[in-house]
Amino acid sequence: AQSVTQLGSHVSVSEGALVLLRCNYSSSVPPYLFWYVQYPNQGLQLLLKYTSAATLVKGINDFEAEFKKSETSFHLTKPSAHMSDAAEYFCAVSETGGGNKLTFGTGTQLKVEL
Amino acid sequence: DGGITQSPKYLFRKEGQNVTLSCEQNLNHDAMYWYRQDPGQGLRLIYYSQIVNDFQKGDIAEGYSVSREKKESFPLTVTSAQKNPTAFYLCASSRVNTEAFFGQGTRLTVV
Repeated sequence: AQSVTQLGSHVSVSEGALVLLRCNYSSSVPPYLFWYVQYPNQGLQLLLKYTSAATLVKGINDFEAEFKKSETSFHLTKPSAHMSDAAEYFCAVSETGGGNKLTFGTGTQLKVEL
Repeated sequence: DGGITQSPKYLFRKEGQNVTLSCEQNLNHDAMYWYRQDPGQGLRLIYYSQIVNDFQKGDIAEGYSVSREKKESFPLTVTSAQKNPTAFYLCASSRVNTEAFFGQGTRLTVV
């Protein structure tokens, strides 16, 4: 069975600082991995996805994530935080390569301070 | 514009009532999904459908029912058997082996 662990339910950074949100996964087969962002009372928007091509994946709004098989990790980073990045972020895994039965982590709430 | 439409945005249910949440997509996606979101628990899969007239239970299907009579529509009924229905419900759709796209959600509250 697949699973996702997001370390840190709340992360706080200063505007302009590095953002690092952690995600570790468990999967019995090569996974497909996703990061989604959710603003209050809205649906989820895809930030980026890993589909077994390049291990460093670039997404929207300068976010990127690196797939590390040896560490079973897919951490999300952004070089410089902006106030508009404050939201909840979800890491998800799929063993079939897409929306089929996505398993989500419990989410990380990102706070950006002046 | 293509997308996924969920309605209503807010829904109130009395104890013992069934309520139906609507989800419509015009993306021509084969697969559709219903997730439930509770604070601190992430999203949990209720039901999913990969083709018209067929659907499968997810991890928390008890107290819910669905139908898939048309490719575009995947309504979710929250029955009186669901003991704790207050939550944020998200509908999603996808093509085979691609990422899921989400609607804006329906917030259901029991009054």
